[in-house]
Amino acid sequence: DAGITQSPRHKVTETGTPVTLRCHQTENHRYMYWYRQDPGHGLRLIHYSYGVKDTDKGEVSDGYSVSRSKTEDFLLTLESATSSQTSVYFCAISESRAPGTSGSYEQYFGPGTRLTVT
Amino acid sequence: GENVEQHPSTLSVQEGDSAVIKCTYSDSASNYFPWYKQELGKGPQLIIDIRSNVGEKKDQRIAVTLNKTAKHFSLHITETQPEDSAVYFCAASGWGDKLIFGTGTRLQVFP
Repeated sequence: DAGITQSPRHKVTETGTPVTLRCHQTENHRYMYWYRQDPGHGLRLIHYSYGVKDTDKGEVSDGYSVSRSKTEDFLLTLESATSSQTSVYFCAISESRAPGTSGSYEQYFGPGTRLTVT
Repeated sequence: GENVEQHPSTLSVQEGDSAVIKCTYSDSASNYFPWYKQELGKGPQLIIDIRSNVGEKKDQRIAVTLNKTAKHFSLHITETQPEDSAVYFCAASGWGDKLIFGTGTRLQVFP
């Protein structure tokens, strides 16, 4: 999984509790992404980061926040978990955001975190 | 924004046969089209990608074709093997833009 770890790998939590998922990379890649995967929807981007302390929203960002204080770590926080946030969450990394720029454009994914909100 | 449709949602083939998965996209500015393979309990793995200045790309038993005029691209797997069984995702993005994924195709290869 291209030097990407996610923790925890599985979590069950109750509605209304805060949850933080961690993504850690050893590749020193600039870009990091959080996706959620749900049946019938494929993978949808939640938030991404283009450097330390630089983040932006994806297509399904409501109810989620992120932080990146170090190149290697990207945290996803659910401030108050809801049942609709039950999903499998994947972190991804890439060196660059566009072909023709320095570094690899391809995104590589971590092993995922299965989150259940009861 | 970009929208990617993927068909079929499930595909069953006999070992040794070919498999074809098709995707269409809506944004004519998209110029990068990767394919991912996801095995049970694992993250998606990039298996091949194509850029808009190329019509076809091959890597051993897998190939991807791109028709920019029709805005569709396809994944071709020849001489399928049981280990090809997985869920396959296509995706599309424009220059410096975010990846938009299709909904996935579950491929089953029967021995």
